[in-house]
Amino acid sequence: NAGVMQNPRHLVRRRGQEARLRCSPMKGHSHVYWYRQLPEEGLKFMVYLQKENIIDESGMPKERFSAEFPKEGPSILRIQQVVRGDSAAYFCASSPDWPEAFFGQGTRLTVV
Amino acid sequence: DQQVKQNSPSLSVQEGRISILNCDYTNSMFDYFLWYKKYPAEGPTFLISISSIKDKNEDGRFTVFLNKSAKHLSLHIVPSQPGDSAVYFCAASKNTDKLIFGTGTRLQVFP
Repeated sequence: NAGVMQNPRHLVRRRGQEARLRCSPMKGHSHVYWYRQLPEEGLKFMVYLQKENIIDESGMPKERFSAEFPKEGPSILRIQQVVRGDSAAYFCASSPDWPEAFFGQGTRLTVV
Repeated sequence: DQQVKQNSPSLSVQEGRISILNCDYTNSMFDYFLWYKKYPAEGPTFLISISSIKDKNEDGRFTVFLNKSAKHLSLHIVPSQPGDSAVYFCAASKNTDKLIFGTGTRLQVFP
């Protein structure tokens, strides 16, 4: 059973471009969480999704950020018009049930 | 509003001795607590957890203690090994809600 798969591992974008981060949860897991870790900070919750539903997006910035978890395929975190402050490590976690979550290796986004 | 706090950003311990990592929380509604370990360039990995109905949970060299009245939990690692060197995050959750993480403590175990 493969773990949580995130791709790409590293992503470089110029200011104003779009970033798409993908997360394939573990088999059988229907809960997906996205977290962001800024340099020298902890993990900040962004969004919690189940298949085709956003359950909690209280940690998502109001503009430019969106997330989806379609019926088929990976979960996508999308950042439009990226700015330097978006540079961070983005982690996806999946869970079969509350509360334990299994994390992927993360995507490191660098905005230049 | 930092609901989960790890006030020690770093800790250095000699191999074979005990490592004690501390975590404080402010929300009395939290009913489940977890510790994660993170190596550089990797995702956090689950280590050990405890429900609010318990005050202690042990798994091999790792023990988590929960003091609900003080809103405090700690992770004890005995004996510490160089491979334990990593960043440790505590996390809390309530009633099937998301995990709220602390800022982490970097543990270094030296020979």
